[in-house]
Amino acid sequence: QITLKESGPTLVKPTQTLTLTCTFSGFSLSTSGVGVGWIRQPPGKALERLALIYWDDDKRYSPSLKSRLTISKDASKNQVVLTMTNVDPVDTATYYCALHHGSYWSYWGQGTLVTVSS
Amino acid sequence: DIQMTQSPSSLSASVGDRVTITCRASQTISNYLNWYQQKSGKAPKLLIYTASSLESGVPSRFSGSGSGTDFTLTISSLQPEDFATYYCQQSYNSLGAFGQGTRVEIK
Repeated sequence: QITLKESGPTLVKPTQTLTLTCTFSGFSLSTSGVGVGWIRQPPGKALERLALIYWDDDKRYSPSLKSRLTISKDASKNQVVLTMTNVDPVDTATYYCALHHGSYWSYWGQGTLVTVSS
Repeated sequence: DIQMTQSPSSLSASVGDRVTITCRASQTISNYLNWYQQKSGKAPKLLIYTASSLESGVPSRFSGSGSGTDFTLTISSLQPEDFATYYCQQSYNSLGAFGQGTRVEIK
């Protein structure tokens, strides 16, 4: 059974750095073709892709957020970490991690709501 | 960066109606197009991948078609549980963008 779960702070102050962790089970991030990534959704708005890391450590970032994002993995711990620097209230959103295999997001975590406010 | 545009942004239909949602890419993406369903307060769920392949466990009333820049998601006979928002997503690039979503309301 494949599961993913996001964890991290629920409240972050503007200009701070946000760090989110995705802990997964049921698959290996050492398997060829497998990736884990992050997608967010501001309240009442559409999904927005953020970042993706592959089994071979290849990384992809949203062009509009690339300068603020870093994605990393610890395959032995079954974890993927996303950091976002210099957060702003517009970064308030539910953040999802998901399994990327083939050419699609096949399994998703339940999401974690992060609020950016002073 | 390839942009995805969905239409309509919302629709209202009756149970049993045939519903069609369209998605257009800003450049050709072959058949690298996926569809997701998101119910209120839940994570998205994969419905269709590579334009027309039905994900395991998804009811056969859902179907997808298209290639190049224009794609369609069709629900052949709308059911009450299909009330949700639907997103297309291009996978021509490995971190492809999503469309802005189509909200389906039941009349």
